[in-house]
Amino acid sequence: GAVVSQHPSWVICKSGTSVKIECRSLDFQATTMFWYRQFPKQSLMLMATSNEGSKATYEQGVEKDKFLINHASLTLSTLTVTSAHPEDSSFYICSARDFPPRGPGGEQFFGPGTRLTVL
Amino acid sequence: KNQVEQSPQSLIILEGKNCTLQCNYTVSPFSNLRWYKQDTGRGPVSLTIMTFSENTKSNGRYTATLDADTKQSSLHITASQLSDSASYICVVRDTNAGKSTFGDGTTLTVKP
Repeated sequence: GAVVSQHPSWVICKSGTSVKIECRSLDFQATTMFWYRQFPKQSLMLMATSNEGSKATYEQGVEKDKFLINHASLTLSTLTVTSAHPEDSSFYICSARDFPPRGPGGEQFFGPGTRLTVL
Repeated sequence: KNQVEQSPQSLIILEGKNCTLQCNYTVSPFSNLRWYKQDTGRGPVSLTIMTFSENTKSNGRYTATLDADTKQSSLHITASQLSDSASYICVVRDTNAGKSTFGDGTTLTVKP
């Protein structure tokens, strides 16, 4: 099956520091990856869509200078939370769309998530 | 605006019982509909994916149905187990921009 990994699984950092989260598709190529944020008892909220070799597309209200996304290869995308503050504390989940698609429209495979706590 | 609405918001059932979760959507044009299971503190895991022409798809004790005419889907869980306690999310993708719209999920609690 298709596996997506995230690293780290959890991170605690001080306010003002930057944190990088990696998302890897382990056994398939992903030209498109997605980054989500999820607050407790809420659904996933799409932050940005990352396409390999091009700039990410951010959803309305998401600061691109704060959440830096790099998708340098077909198997790796990174999200860097710059100058993190306590309100950035959340569960960050990435997903990858398989390419070529295994079925109509392709499928999205999710990573296990990264719990970020900013003190 | 594309929307996906799930019901109920939460559900408590006894172990061994069956249950059905609902998903209504307005996403158009339709590409596919997926059901995911998300355990607390984990990423969503795909249960089923259905296209326009598929009415029913099963994955073990999970059976999803799709009525593309009424834009409704359901997820039926048979002989529930404690490990079924999770959030179940319905996701519908459109063919235009290829964007996926997420439902808010149904939180299922299975009690012994």
